[in-house]
Amino acid sequence: AQSVTQLDSHVSVSEGTPVLLRCNYSSSYSPSLFWYVQHPNKGLQLLLKYTSAATLVKGINGFEAEFKKSETSFHLTKPSAHMSDAAEYFCVVREYGNKLVFGAGTILRVKS
Amino acid sequence: DVKVTQSSRYLVKRTGEKVFLECVQDMDHENMFWYRQDPGLGLRLIYFSYDVKMKEKGDIPEGYSVSREKKERFSLILESASTNQTSMYLCASSTPSTSGGKQYFGPGTRLTVT
Repeated sequence: AQSVTQLDSHVSVSEGTPVLLRCNYSSSYSPSLFWYVQHPNKGLQLLLKYTSAATLVKGINGFEAEFKKSETSFHLTKPSAHMSDAAEYFCVVREYGNKLVFGAGTILRVKS
Repeated sequence: DVKVTQSSRYLVKRTGEKVFLECVQDMDHENMFWYRQDPGLGLRLIYFSYDVKMKEKGDIPEGYSVSREKKERFSLILESASTNQTSMYLCASSTPSTSGGKQYFGPGTRLTVT
């Protein structure tokens, strides 16, 4: 079975500083990986996805993630945090049959 | 724009009641899913369905059942609600894996069992 581990349950950054949300995956074959974001009292929104094309994936709102097979990682980054980035972020791997396996989530706090 | 709707945003039920959570999608997707979301645990898959009248257990099916009589509708049933089923329930539908497999989520139903 595939799985993902989000290494931090909470991350706090100051506005304008870089964001790094860490995710490691476990998969027996080349995975499809996603990052979703959930703002307070809002639905889940797809930020970006990796499906074995370019290893550096650009998403919405200035986020990007790099697939590193040697490190089994798929960390999410953004050069400069904005207050509106405060939300919960989920790293996700897709299993057979289009099932998604979610990480436990990382709550991002952005300080002014 | 794909729309996934859930019948209620908030629901309060008593222990032992039978609870129905409804989900409807308007994109003719074959695949539909029910998850529950709990703090610190992310989303966990309860049941999913590939087509009408087809269903498969996810990772935590105990205490739940589902019904898919029509393609656009996927219902989650709590046969006898218990307090440990207090949670946020999210429905999703998706395109086939061969066309990207993007999942579209509903707004969620926050269920409280007292």
